[in-house]
Amino acid sequence: DARVTQTPRHKVTEMGQEVTMRCQPILGHNTVFWYRQTMMQGLELLAYFRNRAPLDDSGMPKDRFSAEMPDATLATLKIQPSEPRDSAVYFCASGLPPGQGINMGDTQYFGPGTRLTVL
Amino acid sequence: AQSVSQHNHHVILSEAASLELGCNYSYGGTVNLFWYVQYPGQHLQLLLKYFSGDPLVKGIKGFEAEFIKSKFSFNLRKPSVQWSDTAEYFCAVTPNRDDKIIFGKGTRLHILP
Repeated sequence: DARVTQTPRHKVTEMGQEVTMRCQPILGHNTVFWYRQTMMQGLELLAYFRNRAPLDDSGMPKDRFSAEMPDATLATLKIQPSEPRDSAVYFCASGLPPGQGINMGDTQYFGPGTRLTVL
Repeated sequence: AQSVSQHNHHVILSEAASLELGCNYSYGGTVNLFWYVQYPGQHLQLLLKYFSGDPLVKGIKGFEAEFIKSKFSFNLRKPSVQWSDTAEYFCAVTPNRDDKIIFGKGTRLHILP
C-alpha cells in the first residue's frame, strides 16, 4: 500500500531554532506539495515541485522558509529561524501532473503531517 | 482570482440525518473537483473526485457529490450520517491543466450520537 511518509510526526522546539521536516513521496509521483494547516488560516499551499524543480513557492515566507528536493525520493522543508507563529501542522502531498496517471488532473495523496510547536 | 467557497463552516447533525455540504468555485474553465475528508488527528484523504462524465459521483462510505456546471457547484451529500462521519470536509478544485489544487476553508461536521 503506497503512501506518503513524513518525519518527524511531532516536533517541539524553541524560537530561533532550525526545523527540518522531511517527506518521502509515493514512488513514481513527480509532483510534491507542501501545505501548512492552522485553525485560523486553514490549509495553505506553501510550495510545490515537479520533477524536483520548484514551480511555485509564492506561499512561503522566503526569509525563513526553504524547500528542496535533493532527490526524487526526498523533499525537505526548513524553517530557520523558527518563530511561534510557525506552529502548525505541515503536510506533504504527492501526485502526478494532469495528463499522467489514470485520470486527468490526478489526485494528491497526503502524508500524515508534522505537527510543529515553536515555543 | 480562483477561489473555492464552502458555505457552512460548522455543521451539527444527529445520526441518521441527511447531509448536504455546499461548495462553489469561481473558476470559469474546465475543472476537476474533489472532496477530501480529514478525521480528527489524521491527514486528508480523498473522498471522491470528478473529472468528466456522469456529474453524479459516488465516493467511499456512502458519500456522493453532484457537479452542476451552470451553478459552479459541487455539493457533497449523504442520505444518512453516522457518528463516525465526524470530521472536517474540504472541497477542492483544480483546472484541468494545472497542478495546483485550490482548497476551500473546510466544513467541520459534528455528528451527535
